[in-house]
Amino acid sequence: DSGVTQTPKHLITATGQRVTLRCSPRSGDLSVYWYQQSLDQGLQFLIQYYNGEERAKGNILERFSAQQFPDLHSELNLSSLELGDSALYFCASSWSSSSYNEQFFGPGTRLTVL
Amino acid sequence: GESVGLHLPTLSVQEGDNSIINCAYSNSASDYFIWYKQESGKGPQFIIDIRSNMDKRQGQRVTVLLNKTVKHLSLQIAATQPGDSAVYFCAERSGNNNDMRFGAGTRLTVKP
Repeated sequence: DSGVTQTPKHLITATGQRVTLRCSPRSGDLSVYWYQQSLDQGLQFLIQYYNGEERAKGNILERFSAQQFPDLHSELNLSSLELGDSALYFCASSWSSSSYNEQFFGPGTRLTVL
Repeated sequence: GESVGLHLPTLSVQEGDNSIINCAYSNSASDYFIWYKQESGKGPQFIIDIRSNMDKRQGQRVTVLLNKTVKHLSLQIAATQPGDSAVYFCAERSGNNNDMRFGAGTRLTVKP
């Protein structure tokens, strides 16, 4: 158990809908990273937040957004969902703002868009 | 664009043998590399990392080798055990931001 929690574990929704994925980092970690893992693209970095502020952006679509709250939990919002958004979404946390440190991954949320 | 890739998609070894998993990268500016293990139904788990100012780093039963000349990274697992069966993938950090790029992964199967 990495100490990072993600909810829900599974999510099934329809195209055009909007969903919110939630992540609670390990105790003491200030950084949260979001990743998408799909069969054809592998693991891709989406976005990072550090202590409530956006720190780095990767291959995140404009339809997706994230935020980190004062209690350091983070939410990833996916809107206007398409079939291709079906994937595993992981969050990871680390203590520092730099990615030169070990990241601890949560168990993931499996999103299925029908 | 720049990419991280793996030479072999699958690797099957006998329990007790040593395993070597390879990774090629193309961004010469990458300065930090990580190997992850991902078991079925779980998130990636950090195994070992190495910075570009090193050629070799050892952990418990694992060694990472970095050859910057040919842009190649390898993970060696000594005395492979059934619990090592998983997908292994490498990741690189390009230096200018926190964007980590991940390889596709190699599935390691350990036969008893």
